[in-house]
Amino acid sequence: SYVLTQPPSVSVAPGQTARITCGGNNIGSQSVHWYQQKPGQAPVVVVHDDRDRPSGIPERFSGSNSGNTATLTISRVEAGDEADYYCQVWDPSSDHVLFGGGTKLTVL
Amino acid sequence: QLQLNESGPGLVKPSETLSLTCSVSGGSTSSNLYYWAWIRQPPGRGLEWIGVIYYIGTTYYNPSLKSRVTISVDTSKNHFSLRLTSVSAADTAVYYCARVPYSSGWYGWLDLWGQGTLVTISS
Repeated sequence: SYVLTQPPSVSVAPGQTARITCGGNNIGSQSVHWYQQKPGQAPVVVVHDDRDRPSGIPERFSGSNSGNTATLTISRVEAGDEADYYCQVWDPSSDHVLFGGGTKLTVL
Repeated sequence: QLQLNESGPGLVKPSETLSLTCSVSGGSTSSNLYYWAWIRQPPGRGLEWIGVIYYIGTTYYNPSLKSRVTISVDTSKNHFSLRLTSVSAADTAVYYCARVPYSSGWYGWLDLWGQGTLVTISS
């Protein structure tokens, strides 16, 4: 079965750039979506279809996807970006919608 | 502004059936522009996609849950529902309902979520 791999945690200082990866076999051939989840809240999509930002999401959030790795990049990180981040893809071979295990972003 | 609101029992006994409803306000479940989805999250753990439904009743389910899950839609009441049979402690989770743009496919991104409701499986 298809597996999505995210690092459990990423730490970054305010103002720096955070990169959160989502690994999967040939993930570059699929559309990847990214969600931000703050404690006690529902997830919110920050990037969809690899690199598209919904309205209201700051330009600091961007995405890329190639080969076996998709990446969510958060530029000029702020304290308010501290949250769990999840990637989501569809595996056509199993017709299964999958989430990565999540990455906790800590702003130092 | 469309809103989604989950409701249902917060406590279900093992081996019984979990039933939840997602009420849609400010929009319509009969819209052909969206699918309607259920996702769950065990306490302290990650997200798990359960399934989606289109307004005409077409459904797609997580293969690992397919034998126990039914998602239905009632456009007259403007809500959609989740039934999960033969529950166990492993089904304890926050259950979210959400919306999927039709243009993204039934497997696409979730652009709007409810606030979630905790369901505990315990005797």
